[in-house]
Amino acid sequence: EVQLVESGGGLVQPGGSLRLSCAASGFTFSSYWMRWVRQVPGKGLEYVASISHDGSEKYYVDSVKGRFTISRDNAKNSLYLQVSSLRAEDTAVYYCATQSRGSSFDVWGQGTMVTVSS
Amino acid sequence: DVVMTQSPLSLPVTLGQPASISCRSSQSLVHSDGSTYLSWFQQRPGQSPRRLIYKASNRDPGVPDRFSGSGSSTDFTLKISRVEAEDVGVYYCMQGIHWPWTFGQGTRVEIK
Repeated sequence: EVQLVESGGGLVQPGGSLRLSCAASGFTFSSYWMRWVRQVPGKGLEYVASISHDGSEKYYVDSVKGRFTISRDNAKNSLYLQVSSLRAEDTAVYYCATQSRGSSFDVWGQGTMVTVSS
Repeated sequence: DVVMTQSPLSLPVTLGQPASISCRSSQSLVHSDGSTYLSWFQQRPGQSPRRLIYKASNRDPGVPDRFSGSGSSTDFTLKISRVEAEDVGVYYCMQGIHWPWTFGQGTRVEIK
């Protein structure tokens, strides 16, 4: 079964850090660009970061540059998002997903909630 | 950033009737490779987003054929030929050509 499973979310104080993980199964993970997208509960979707299939290219939305780091381990079929210097406005559900704008393969995880609050 | 503007933001529809959602981008979504990178996503209540359409008009596997996408350059439309109860949710367009890729605000489809 094709699947993405996120983990690592939780409650963290402002300025704190977390490492989000996304475990892939059922497809050739190393062949796909991957992305993190977040959603404030009840609000819309926001792109956070993308990474190429081999990890050589990374892109971030301006609001997280210098604070978030996307990475992957193809040997472990895993995607990561290190989130640091967290702010209240980073509170959201974080989804990992494949990034295949031109092909018929698009998979999303169930999301992991990050809550930034004192 | 490229701004994606959807209308309407709320769409009450009678079961079995058609529905149409518009999406406009602030820049052309035509790539130098000739493809138009506009996608449509459905998010049912309590679920993760699911892509329905890619490259403006291509249906993803398993998507019912009552869903269709059309448009070019900066103006796009998602149509549902006959709305069913399972179509309730929020629909988003997304451009995949100019970084950061951006989503529209979302259109909430509900049954009258």
